[in-house]
Amino acid sequence: DTAVSQTPKYLVTQMGNDKSIKCEQNLGHDTMYWYKQDSKKFLKIMFSYNNKELIINETVPNRFSPKSPDKAHLNLHINSLELGDSAVYFCASSHRNSYGYTFGSGTRLTVV
Amino acid sequence: DAKTTQPNSMESNEEEPVHLPCNHSTISGTDYIHWYRQLPSQGPEYVIHGLTSNVNNRMASLAIAEDRKSSTLILHRATLRDAAVYYCILSGDTGRRALTFGSGTRLQVQP
Repeated sequence: DTAVSQTPKYLVTQMGNDKSIKCEQNLGHDTMYWYKQDSKKFLKIMFSYNNKELIINETVPNRFSPKSPDKAHLNLHINSLELGDSAVYFCASSHRNSYGYTFGSGTRLTVV
Repeated sequence: DAKTTQPNSMESNEEEPVHLPCNHSTISGTDYIHWYRQLPSQGPEYVIHGLTSNVNNRMASLAIAEDRKSSTLILHRATLRDAAVYYCILSGDTGRRALTFGSGTRLQVQP
């Protein structure tokens, strides 16, 4: 299936730990994004990468570091996790010549 | 990006049409109107988009006011599966800019 896939789907971890979320798309898109959806359900853009180059870096703590090894992958690494990082994180992708964006099914991160 | 205004929630009965309104009075001439929806426990999914003319696809129709300051997403026959949060988003570029989501309209569909 053509899609944006994220792993893991659920992640429960303790404060202070370091964790990574992986995202892969097989749609041939050239831009990938990370969004955060908090408990109030607002979806906020965190990062955007175009052809492995960082385009958008919203006001996100330095503990969050995106890494794009190639156009099809955008991983999110989080250091020193805090309670406030608990949220659902969505990966998405798009193509410069298209208007449709495709989202993954999300990773629910719970920091305890 | 220009701001959109949507009702917080709407209710519909199954198999009836649903009209979801969106106001965007500060829309610029190059802004496209996008609609996405987010089903429970899923990521947002593309529904439809348009610039000036009304648009139809297999999921929905998009009616755009002549002055482009408002639009309406039309679900012709609501099903229980259409219960979701619907987002109206303006974006002035092709797929190279992040979409800015508002709070959307939560649609409830009653059997």
